[in-house]
Amino acid sequence: KAGVTQTPRYLIKTRGQQVTLSCSPISGHRSVSWYQQTPGQGLQFLFEYFSETQRNKGNFPGRFSGRQFSNSRSEMNVSTLELGDSALYLCASSSEFYEQYFGPGTRLTVT
Amino acid sequence: AQSVTQLGSHVSVSEGALVLLRCNYSSSVPPYLFWYVQYPNQGLQLLLKYTTGATLVKGINGFEAEFKKSETSFHLTKPSAHMSDAAEYFCAVTTTSGYALNFGKGTSLLVTP
Repeated sequence: KAGVTQTPRYLIKTRGQQVTLSCSPISGHRSVSWYQQTPGQGLQFLFEYFSETQRNKGNFPGRFSGRQFSNSRSEMNVSTLELGDSALYLCASSSEFYEQYFGPGTRLTVT
Repeated sequence: AQSVTQLGSHVSVSEGALVLLRCNYSSSVPPYLFWYVQYPNQGLQLLLKYTTGATLVKGINGFEAEFKKSETSFHLTKPSAHMSDAAEYFCAVTTTSGYALNFGKGTSLLVTP
């Protein structure tokens, strides 16, 4: 089976812009989670979707949003980018609650 | 809240030596615990998991971990380190909802010749 894919792999944006990241889960996986990884804060949970519904949300401002499509693909959006949003954004898919498989991530740099 | 603490942000071992990476958890419910590895510029790869049952869990690449409830620990070990084991290792626990993972800060493993 193909693994979790994320596009794009690298992205450079300017403060104030918005960005959309995409994630395609492993075939058959219906749950998709998003995490932010930074050197200072480590890995932090953003949100999780299952069957197009957000089931859980981390402690991030409303500028961070996501959605899931009927084919389980997911997107996350960050509006009004700030320098502190520079991070590696990881997507993970799961067929069961507790075992998550991660994609390679999207490296976002905000200048 | 469910959380994990990884002791030692950097661990250095010689090639062929025992690898021991420490993880302690805090959980109000029986925890589900995981170890992940991250190589530079890559995502996280699942090494092993503990859900229920046998407390000694074997994973990929020769790694194993033992769940010790009395010590609230889930340390990762490997009998003999390889140069290819050099990476960042993360311990994680499921949140109360079960839909997310709380990660430790990570331990960077350096393997010297």
